[in-house]
Amino acid sequence: ILNVEQSPQSLHVQEGDSTNFTCSFPSSNFYALHWYRWETAKSPEALFVMTLNGDEKKKGRISATLNTKEGYSYLYIKGSQPEDSATYLCASLNTGGFKTIFGAGTRLFVKA
Amino acid sequence: DAGITQSPRHKVTETGTPVTLRCHQTENHRYMYWYRQDPGHGLRLIHYSYGVKDTDKGEVSDGYSVSRSKTEDFLLTLESATSSQTSVYFCAISEPPGTDYEQYFGPGTRLTVT
Repeated sequence: ILNVEQSPQSLHVQEGDSTNFTCSFPSSNFYALHWYRWETAKSPEALFVMTLNGDEKKKGRISATLNTKEGYSYLYIKGSQPEDSATYLCASLNTGGFKTIFGAGTRLFVKA
Repeated sequence: DAGITQSPRHKVTETGTPVTLRCHQTENHRYMYWYRQDPGHGLRLIHYSYGVKDTDKGEVSDGYSVSRSKTEDFLLTLESATSSQTSVYFCAISEPPGTDYEQYFGPGTRLTVT
């Protein structure tokens, strides 16, 4: 079983702050790394799917980077807004891609 | 939104009773997954399917069984429900390889075992 770790567990920021979270995963047999955004009382929604070492992806104010050799990914949010409040999950897939192992998530609270 | 529905959405049952949760998709995706949400653990994979009648265990499969007789339906059965199986259950689908297994989630089923 792969072990996917996310830090911090929770984060409180003020509106306008920029922030980042970390996802670490075993680098052996790596296939893909997913980031999902999960709002309270809703279902997780995919933010990014990343496969290549050095990948950088961006969607609006949110971006992510991937280092498959050392087994980590960073998620950045620039100028946090209250609507960014959610749990951010990362998930690692090993070779073959069938089994997805999720981290416990980072819970972000953005105060207006 | 991907066409994924789960039924029932809420269920309360007694310890020792069998329970079946249904996931239905209209996307014709080949892969389907069952997860449970637990505090401090995020989502944990119970079982997954990579085609009709093709299923395999995830990391927390004990006490659960699954069946997939049609592409669109993936059933999760708790043979004899226990209080530790109280959780929110999510179904997800994906259609690799082009999407690199990006998953689309259903609305969830809240199960309470008393």
